[in-house]
Amino acid sequence: QVTLRESGPALVTPTQTLTLTCTFSGFSLSARGMSVNWVRQSPGKALEWLARIDWDDDKYYTTSLKTRLTVSRDASKNQVVLTLTNVDPVDTATYYCARMPLNEGNTGLDYWGQGTLVTVSS
Amino acid sequence: QSVLTQIPSASGSPGQRVTISCSGSTSNIETNYVYWYQQLPGAAPKLLIDRSSQRPSGIPERFSGSKSGTSASLAISGLRSDDEAEYFCAAWDDTLGGPVFGGGTKLTVL
Repeated sequence: QVTLRESGPALVTPTQTLTLTCTFSGFSLSARGMSVNWVRQSPGKALEWLARIDWDDDKYYTTSLKTRLTVSRDASKNQVVLTLTNVDPVDTATYYCARMPLNEGNTGLDYWGQGTLVTVSS
Repeated sequence: QSVLTQIPSASGSPGQRVTISCSGSTSNIETNYVYWYQQLPGAAPKLLIDRSSQRPSGIPERFSGSKSGTSASLAISGLRSDDEAEYFCAAWDDTLGGPVFGGGTKLTVL
């Protein structure tokens, strides 16, 4: 059974660094073609893809936030970590991690965590 | 402003068939698979349609997807009250190098 769960602070002060952890089970991020992605959803708004880390440790970021985002993995703990520096109130959103198996041309997010709401406010 | 365009809302009566559309461009929908996600209130998105027209295991046949050119559609037949949710389309975008999403269509079952 594939599960993902996000964890991190519910409240962050502007200009601080946000660190979120995705803990997953039921699959291996070391398996060829596997990836874990981060997606966020601002209140009442659409989904926005943020970052991806692949089975071979390749990393990809959305263009608009590339200078502020870092994604990393801890294979031994089945965890993926996302950091977002210099946060602003516009970064207030529910942050999701989701699995994307890249085999056979697939680019769909087939399993999602329940999401964690992060509010940026002083 | 979302990269993919969806109408904000749609509605239908129980038993009816509704169609939700999604419009994109040559860098996303025209050249890549389209995915549809269902998001129930307060829940995470759930994959509904895989690779433009495939249903993942457990998704009823009432849900179907299609794609033509730079547009895609999700059809829901035999509408039920528990279909009331937000529906998002998504596709890989070759310019972004990642998935892009539509703004979502809120489906109301009358």
